[in-house]
Amino acid sequence: DVKVTQSSRYLVKRTGEKVFLECVQDMDHENMFWYRQDPGLGLRLIYFSYDVKMKEKGDIPEGYSVSREKKERFSLILESASTNQTSMYLCASSLTGGSDEQYFGPGTRLTVT
Amino acid sequence: AQTVTQSQPEMSVQEAETVTLSCTYDTSESDYYLFWYKQPPSRQMILVIRQEAYKQQNATENRFSVNFQKAAKSFSLKISDSQLGDAAMYFCAYRSGGVTGSNYKLTFGKGTLLTVNP
Repeated sequence: DVKVTQSSRYLVKRTGEKVFLECVQDMDHENMFWYRQDPGLGLRLIYFSYDVKMKEKGDIPEGYSVSREKKERFSLILESASTNQTSMYLCASSLTGGSDEQYFGPGTRLTVT
Repeated sequence: AQTVTQSQPEMSVQEAETVTLSCTYDTSESDYYLFWYKQPPSRQMILVIRQEAYKQQNATENRFSVNFQKAAKSFSLKISDSQLGDAAMYFCAYRSGGVTGSNYKLTFGKGTLLTVNP
């Protein structure tokens, strides 16, 4: 079974802190994605990566950056956390595109106070 | 840019009955893929069913089937013989048919929360 894991299920950080959210997949997938999920807004793509060290902005990249130094790991970085970044963050991976399924991690619920 | 619209924020169904969740999308592309994902309470998002736009036949997976109307840009999900375990948030999603990496992302609708009543 494909497994996508995220470093924390729940995280509480203070405004202005630098926050790292880690995602690891074990199926040698080429593509990895970070989404933000908010009630009534669905899932919005923050950043994605279709190859190691390659990254592309999604729909809401402001305030975030990413790092992908190894194929299996994709990190989301909040350089200076703000209260409006309180949200559920979902990581996903897929082998390629087309009809390939995206596999999701369990999510990290981040609260910024 | 493609958009996906789910017009029903919430739906409810009686156990053992049938329910249909609506999804419409906007695109100028002719080659694309559509998906329904399920997110049970406090559990991971999983794929329910997928449809290739070039296929006229509607996809089915056990009790789940879709009604794909390409001209109308409509992609509804039908759940037959609803079970308590079907209660979840359901998301419709679109992916471009392009073969470069930037086309591999999904665009999601806002979701429909399905309640199953015993």
